[in-house]
Amino acid sequence: KAGVTQTPRYLIKTRGQQVTLSCSPISGHRSVSWYQQTPGQGLQFLFEYFSETQRNKGNFPGRFSGRQFSNSRSEMNVSTLELGDSALYLCASSLSSPNEQFFGPGTRLTVL
Amino acid sequence: QQQVKQSPQSLIVQKGGISIINCAYENTAFDYFPWYQQFPGKGPALLIAIRPDVSEKKEGRFTISFNKSAKQFSLHIMDSQPGDSATYFCAAIRGSSNTGKLIFGQGTTLQVKP
Repeated sequence: KAGVTQTPRYLIKTRGQQVTLSCSPISGHRSVSWYQQTPGQGLQFLFEYFSETQRNKGNFPGRFSGRQFSNSRSEMNVSTLELGDSALYLCASSLSSPNEQFFGPGTRLTVL
Repeated sequence: QQQVKQSPQSLIVQKGGISIINCAYENTAFDYFPWYQQFPGKGPALLIAIRPDVSEKKEGRFTISFNKSAKQFSLHIMDSQPGDSATYFCAAIRGSSNTGKLIFGQGTTLQVKP
């Protein structure tokens, strides 16, 4: 069974631009969670989607948004990029229960 | 109350030794405690997990010990190997609330010397 895939793997953007990251969960998994990983703040929860509905949101500004499609694939969008948004963005999928989460390789975003 | 505190920040162990990483939490509503292993350039990989109704869980060389009254849990890596060199994260979640929100510790960088 294929794992969680994330595209693109690397992105370089400039301040003020916006970016869209994509995540394809493990086949059959309906829950997708997003996390931001930085050296200073560690792994922080962004939001979780299940059956196209956002069930929970972390403590991030409204510039961070996401959505989930009917095939469980998910995207997250960051608008008006800031230097501090440079991070590894990780997607994790799980079956209906969100406990056992399996992570993708992440998208490394660099904001210049 | 949402924090998970992890120690030590870094750990150096000789090959064949035991690596021990500790975590502590405050929120008694947490009901699932996974450990993740992350290699450079990769996403975290689920290693082993435990629920609070169990005091110990073993999978191969990896063991979680759980102390509910102290609100602490730890990962023991027996017979540590150079291939175990990675960053380890403990985490906690209120699985019963279906929030999908894992709360992570700050991570421990383990180096196993040959």
